[in-house]
Amino acid sequence: ETGVTQSPTHLIKTRGQQVTLRCSSQSGHNTVSWYQQALGQGPQFIFQYYREEENGRGNFPPRFSGLQFPNYSSELNVNALELDDSALYLCASSRLGGGYTFGSGTRLTVV
Amino acid sequence: TQLLEQSPQFLSIQEGENLTVYCNSSSVFSSLQWYRQEPGEGPVLLVTVVTGGEVKKLKRLTFQFGDARKDSSLHITAAQPGDTGLYLCAGSPRDSNYQLIWGAGTKLIIKP
Repeated sequence: ETGVTQSPTHLIKTRGQQVTLRCSSQSGHNTVSWYQQALGQGPQFIFQYYREEENGRGNFPPRFSGLQFPNYSSELNVNALELDDSALYLCASSRLGGGYTFGSGTRLTVV
Repeated sequence: TQLLEQSPQFLSIQEGENLTVYCNSSSVFSSLQWYRQEPGEGPVLLVTVVTGGEVKKLKRLTFQFGDARKDSSLHITAAQPGDTGLYLCAGSPRDSNYQLIWGAGTKLIIKP
C-alpha cells in the first residue's frame, strides 16, 4: 500500500509568480484535502476534493485553486504569489469522512 | 469561528517525567484526533476519539475526550527522548465532514 506522495519537496518562487503543487493519494482513498501550515502554527484547511469536485473550502482567496484527477491525484495552484504564502503545504488523502494520511509536504518559499 | 487552543505551546522536561497536553474549545466536535509531526514531515495520526468521556491508550500515551466533546488531553507517562516532537490536536466540526480544525501544536522536548 503506497502512501501519499507530494512533489516537489521544496520550491522557491518570486512574488507574483504562479505555482503548482502535486499530490498522489494513498491507494484506496478517493478524497484529497490540502492544508497550509505556517511556521509554528497548526495546519489551516484550504479545500477538499471528492470525485473530482471541490467538496469544501476554507478561508482562502480564489487565487488558491485545485484539481482532482480520475486517479484521485490532485494539484494545488496558487496564482499571484505573496510573501505570506510561504509555508508548508500538506496534502492528505482519505476515504470520504475517514481518517487522513498526510504526505510529507511541499515547503514553498516566496521571495 | 471554531478554535482549538492547545497548551502548553512548548514543554521541555527530563526523561522519566510525566506530562499532560491540553486541547480546549468552546465548540463541540463530533470527533477529535491527535497527531505527531516531525520536522519536514506531515502529521501522523496517533488516535481518534469519538465518544464523550472516551479514554484510549497507546503504550505510555493516554488520550481522553471530554464529556461534552469540547476538550481533550494527552498524557504521557515516563516520557522518553523518542517522544520528542510536535503534538497537534484536530477536531472534526459537527456541521462539516470535510475539514479539520487544528490546534497550534505543543512542541515537546524530552531531555535524556
